[in-house]
Amino acid sequence: DAGVIQSPRHEVTEMGQEVTLRCKPISGHNSLFWYRQTMMRGLELLIYFNNNVPIDDSGMPEDRFSAKMPNASFSTLKIQPSEPRDSAVYFCASSSTGTVQNEAFFGQGTRLTVV
Amino acid sequence: SQKIEQNSEALNIQEGKTATLTCNYTNYSPAYLQWYRQDPGRGPVFLLLIRENEKEKRKERLKVTFDTTLKQSLFHITASQPADSATYLCALRSSASKIIFGSGTRLSIRP
Repeated sequence: DAGVIQSPRHEVTEMGQEVTLRCKPISGHNSLFWYRQTMMRGLELLIYFNNNVPIDDSGMPEDRFSAKMPNASFSTLKIQPSEPRDSAVYFCASSSTGTVQNEAFFGQGTRLTVV
Repeated sequence: SQKIEQNSEALNIQEGKTATLTCNYTNYSPAYLQWYRQDPGRGPVFLLLIRENEKEKRKERLKVTFDTTLKQSLFHITASQPADSATYLCALRSSASKIIFGSGTRLSIRP
């Protein structure tokens, strides 16, 4: 398996524009997580899904953020409209509750810059 | 609210010494505690897991302890090497699958 795949790797956009981040989890994994990482706030959990269903979105900062998981192999995180304070590295991770270690496998991240 | 704290933002030690990192948490009853390593420009990578009913876990030069009474985990790297330089994150996982991370400790091993 190629691991968790995120796209794009880098995104530069103007304030007010819509941004869509994409994630392909590891095949067979039933949990998917979206995190945001900044120097100030560390690695924050935004939302996670179990079996494609959103379980906890309490970390989503505001209504400008939305996430979907239409099937087991694809998820999106959308920011509309984007603001400079959204600039961060966004990570997607997946895991399987059926494994012994229950570890999360992370993608390479998307570095978002909003100017 | 749930909170995870890692004792220091940065730790610098001499090669060959033991590095000890601390993770404390409040308002949480995790089923597992995990440690991850993160290198610059990359996502975190899993290292070790310890369950709530385990006191200690070892893997090669790594050792993790878990004290649910103190709500604390210690992460040790023995015989440290410059290649161990990275940011180390602790993570708590509930039985409901949620995983939350501490802010990390940046470890530097000088030759």
